[in-house]
Amino acid sequence: SQKIEQNSEALNIQEGKTATLTCNYTNYSPAYLQWYRQDPGRGPVFLLLIRENEKEKRKERLKVTFDTTLKQSLFHITASQPADSATYLCALAASGNTGKLIFGQGTTLQVKP
Amino acid sequence: DADVTQTPRNRITKTGKRIMLECSQTKGHDRMYWYRQDPGLGLQLIYYSFDVKDINKGEISDGYSVSRQAQAKFSLSLESAIPNQTALYFCATSDPRTHTGELFFGEGSRLTVL
Repeated sequence: SQKIEQNSEALNIQEGKTATLTCNYTNYSPAYLQWYRQDPGRGPVFLLLIRENEKEKRKERLKVTFDTTLKQSLFHITASQPADSATYLCALAASGNTGKLIFGQGTTLQVKP
Repeated sequence: DADVTQTPRNRITKTGKRIMLECSQTKGHDRMYWYRQDPGLGLQLIYYSFDVKDINKGEISDGYSVSRQAQAKFSLSLESAIPNQTALYFCATSDPRTHTGELFFGEGSRLTVL
């Protein structure tokens, strides 16, 4: 069956360290993968997109990698800050621009000062 | 003002009642979606619409129906609510012209069915 999984355990790190979140999927061949941030009681907000033919994408302190052989995406936040504390969701789209996204369950990041 | 507005933001109802959650958007996007979020399960797609005349079932459409009244409005109905429909519901929009599939979410509607 098709599955997309993120670490359900919360990730706790010290301010200034790099946070690394993992998104694994099975039985999909996604055209692209997205990462969203969700704060408590709010809707998710888009952060980054990476396509199947891209290995790495960066935006300010954020970096996303995409390994279609391992069927895995890693999401890094460098020089983390307490304001980065939130739940991060990965989502993937099947081939073609169907606009239909499948979401992982999210990983909660807590950055301690 | 929010680009994607959901009403009501919170609703408590009883088993068997009919409930409608409404979504309106000012982004001018053709595509609209309804997702449900449960703790530990992530977002699950209920229905989606790529234009006013196009309605499609998502992963978990049983027990739900939708209406696309206009490009800007997409409502979700629970004909006879049951307790396991207690969840946080999100409406979202996207613009296919961007080729990114990025979703723009509303603030959510928290529904409790007693």
